[in-house]
Amino acid sequence: QQQVKQSPQSLIVQKGGISIINCAYENTAFDYFPWYQQFPGKGPALLIAIRPDVSEKKEGRFTISFNKSAKQFSLHIMDSQPGDSATYFCAASMGSGGSNYKLTFGKGTLLTVNP
Amino acid sequence: EAGVAQSPRYKIIEKRQSVAFWCNPISGHATLYWYQQILGQGPKLLIQFQNNGVVDDSQLPKDRFSAERLKGVDSTLKIQPAKLEDSAVYLCASSRDRVNTIYFGEGSWLTVV
Repeated sequence: QQQVKQSPQSLIVQKGGISIINCAYENTAFDYFPWYQQFPGKGPALLIAIRPDVSEKKEGRFTISFNKSAKQFSLHIMDSQPGDSATYFCAASMGSGGSNYKLTFGKGTLLTVNP
Repeated sequence: EAGVAQSPRYKIIEKRQSVAFWCNPISGHATLYWYQQILGQGPKLLIQFQNNGVVDDSQLPKDRFSAERLKGVDSTLKIQPAKLEDSAVYLCASSRDRVNTIYFGEGSWLTVV
C-alpha cells in the first residue's frame, strides 16, 4: 500500500514565524513530490514541487527540503502570514507514468497563523 | 481561462439511492481525475483518464462506482447504491497531460443519510 505520512496534524504559528510541515514516504518508486494548499470550500492548488535530484527548492517564502536517504521531505513557510492559514497536503507520485500518475496525498496539516 | 467546473455542488441522498456528479475540465486538458476526499483526510484518487481511456482505476469501488468520459471531454461519476461511508467531497481535476500541473475543481459535497 502506497503511503505518505504527514505531520503535524495541526499547527499554530504567530505572524512572522516559520511554519514547518513534514512528510515521509515508503515507496522508493516515488519521484515527484508536490505540496498542495487548500482553503475551505475550495479544491487543492499546487504550491510547490520537487524532484529527488535536488535537496532543496525555494519559491518566494516557500521552501521544500528533500532527504532522499531518509525518504522524507518538508515544507517551510517563512514569515508566515494570516493569509497562509489553510490545509497543506504533501503528495508523491511515480514519474515513470507521468508526474501525475498515482498521485498519493498525505492526510493534511491545518495551519493557523495568528495575527 | 475557466477552471474545472463541477455540479452539483451539494447533494444529500439516502443510503441505497444513486447519485451522479458531472465534471467539465479545463479546455484542452487531456487528463482528467476523480478524487474522493473524506473529511479530515487527503484526496484519494478514484480514477484517472487520458483522453477517453482509463489510465488507473485501481482504487475505484467498481461494485458501486462507475465513471465515464465521453468524447474525451466531460466526465460523469456515478454511485449506485450509495453507502453511508461514501459521504465525502468528490473532486474533479484536470491537467494538460500526465506531467503538467493538476487543477482541481471546487468539489461536489455528498452526504449520505
